[in-house]
Amino acid sequence: EVLLVDSGGDLVQPGRSLRLSCVASGFTFDDHAMHWVRQAPGKGLEWVSGINWNGDKTDYADSVKGRFSISRDNAKTSLYLQMNSLRPEDTAFYYCAKAPAPLLYRSYFDSWGQGTLVTVSS
Amino acid sequence: DIQMTQSPSSLSASVGDRVTITCRASQSISDYLVWYQQKPGKAPKLLIYGASSLLSGVPSRFSGGGSGTDFTLTISGLQPEDFATYYCQQSYSSPQTFGQGTKVEIK
Repeated sequence: EVLLVDSGGDLVQPGRSLRLSCVASGFTFDDHAMHWVRQAPGKGLEWVSGINWNGDKTDYADSVKGRFSISRDNAKTSLYLQMNSLRPEDTAFYYCAKAPAPLLYRSYFDSWGQGTLVTVSS
Repeated sequence: DIQMTQSPSSLSASVGDRVTITCRASQSISDYLVWYQQKPGKAPKLLIYGASSLLSGVPSRFSGGGSGTDFTLTISGLQPEDFATYYCQQSYSSPQTFGQGTKVEIK
């Protein structure tokens, strides 16, 4: 069974940094691209970032480009999201999500973590 | 970016009803359209990919259709566990974008 466990969410002040983690199990991690998708409380879904199977290609939403960085450690079957210069509008549940294929091209999300809440407020 | 527009934003229906949700893309996306179901406090779950392919384990009362710019999700014989919010998402080009969601409520 595919299992994605998200962690690292917290209450942080604007301008500070936070690192999210996602530990994966139940599938061959390095056969799949991975993504982060967020959802502000009571709002819709927004794709944030994606990384291909070996980490040499990444992609970002314009809203986080230059501030967020996605990475993965295939040996640890883990995905990360480094979030810098956080803004109040980054407040959301952040979900780790698995793609069915190894490449970023035409990705969708066939399994999701449980989500971790990031709150950006002074 | 490709804009995805769902309608309606919400609907009320009874157990056993047939329900159809539509999703329109701002440009042609071929059949690169997926549907998710999300229940309160839970992560979304993939239901349909490739516009009409049902994920293994998803009940056959769910079906998807369409191509190009216009798509539908139909639930034939609504069950109590189907009351949830449904999202479409295009996977044709980056950034992957979602519809705003359709909340299916109990009448």
